[in-house]
Amino acid sequence: GAVVSQHPSWVICKSGTSVKIECRSLDFQATTMFWYRQFPKQSLMLMATSNEGSKATYEQGVEKDKFLINHASLTLSTLTVTSAHPEDSSFYICSAQISMNQETQYFGPGTRLLVL
Amino acid sequence: DQQVKQNSPSLSVQEGRISILNCDYTNSMFDYFLWYKKYPAEGPTFLISISSIKDKNEDGRFTVFLNKSAKHLSLHIVPSQPGDSAVYFCAARGPNYGGSQGNLIFGKGTKLSVKP
Repeated sequence: GAVVSQHPSWVICKSGTSVKIECRSLDFQATTMFWYRQFPKQSLMLMATSNEGSKATYEQGVEKDKFLINHASLTLSTLTVTSAHPEDSSFYICSAQISMNQETQYFGPGTRLLVL
Repeated sequence: DQQVKQNSPSLSVQEGRISILNCDYTNSMFDYFLWYKKYPAEGPTFLISISSIKDKNEDGRFTVFLNKSAKHLSLHIVPSQPGDSAVYFCAARGPNYGGSQGNLIFGKGTKLSVKP
């Protein structure tokens, strides 16, 4: 149980284009989903917290207009990297939490983004 | 300033021996700690967790110890197997940290290599 999927698993795009990444909880409903980014040899850094039906909460230093998050349902959250630049190239990982009282987050497999 | 620190970037252990992965934290408000295992280009997989009201939690070959006074936790794997070779992340949860509820603060990870 507690399977989270991400799509696509990797994407290469040109600078200036937008990229959408989907995160789905496959066998449970997630009240909260989180988006992380990991640069090489670094830890996972939380970008934003996404609650179904409400606006995402962004961490300090993360531009909400650049990283658009939509939590459309209890099983789907999307992250759109708008006007991507090479410095946005990274490994993006989502996680899902069953409820606010559940401490464990279940992670997706990640999406590798390369912006040329 | 890192609130969760894994000071050993790598650890090499012989198969069958004990692996001890260490983690230190600075924020006494953290109330829940988790260990994740991560393979390259994949999302983290939840391993084991411990509440701040406990000092030990065991699950099969994995045991997590928490020393609140020292703000230190450790993950013991015994016996170690070659399949345990991966990067291990320590994570801590603090309520309402950074305006987000329930998010996790990760260490930088320790790469464990178990040699046959």
